[in-house]
Amino acid sequence: EIQMTQSPSSLSASVGDRVTITCRASQNIARYLNWYQLKPGKAPNLLIYKTSTLQSGVPSRFSGSGSGTGFTLTISSVQPEDVAIYYCQQTSDRLWWTFGQGTKVEI
Amino acid sequence: QVQVVESGGGVVQPGRSLRISCAASGFTCSDYGMHWVRQAPGKGLEWVGVIWSDADGTNKYYADSVKGRFTVSRDNSKNTVDLQMNSLRVEDTAVYYCSRDVGARFGEWGQGTLVTVSS
Repeated sequence: EIQMTQSPSSLSASVGDRVTITCRASQNIARYLNWYQLKPGKAPNLLIYKTSTLQSGVPSRFSGSGSGTGFTLTISSVQPEDVAIYYCQQTSDRLWWTFGQGTKVEI
Repeated sequence: QVQVVESGGGVVQPGRSLRISCAASGFTCSDYGMHWVRQAPGKGLEWVGVIWSDADGTNKYYADSVKGRFTVSRDNSKNTVDLQMNSLRVEDTAVYYCSRDVGARFGEWGQGTLVTVSS
């Protein structure tokens, strides 16, 4: 099982701040890293896939980077509607998909 | 419009069984891998299991935490994917989501169905 570790576990930002979330894999996953946004009572939402490709309809203030074992999700100018929990996910191991433990973003 | 809708959750006693379902619209379930993911109260997302497409041999894989107790199946005539959960434990309490695999990523998700295991 590939372990995914996110940091920080939570953060508080002001509107307009640049926010960065880090995700680290326990082994090389190339660029098979996705990011999801989860809001209470709503369906999880795919934001970014394969490290840096923005899902259709996702605002351009979201971006992703990295490769191998280290990855980041950046919100260039955080907005009130970005309050959510963000999860990274590896899809390199196609027999056991794993998620990070989540990062709660508050404004 | 592509969407999935989960149903069938409820309260069940430890050791009992429950079957939940995922109804797909806007696409054919059998053409895609379909995953189940859960989120226990106050916890993160945990992958539960997958059933691959007919073209990929309809293979199924499960997380160790549910292997031998949970079974994913598909009803092509109804365009649904089910999760049969046997020998339920208190720690299986969670919101269960289904999602379509669209190529190394989980595309559409439903709003989930809550399963509570309690005596």
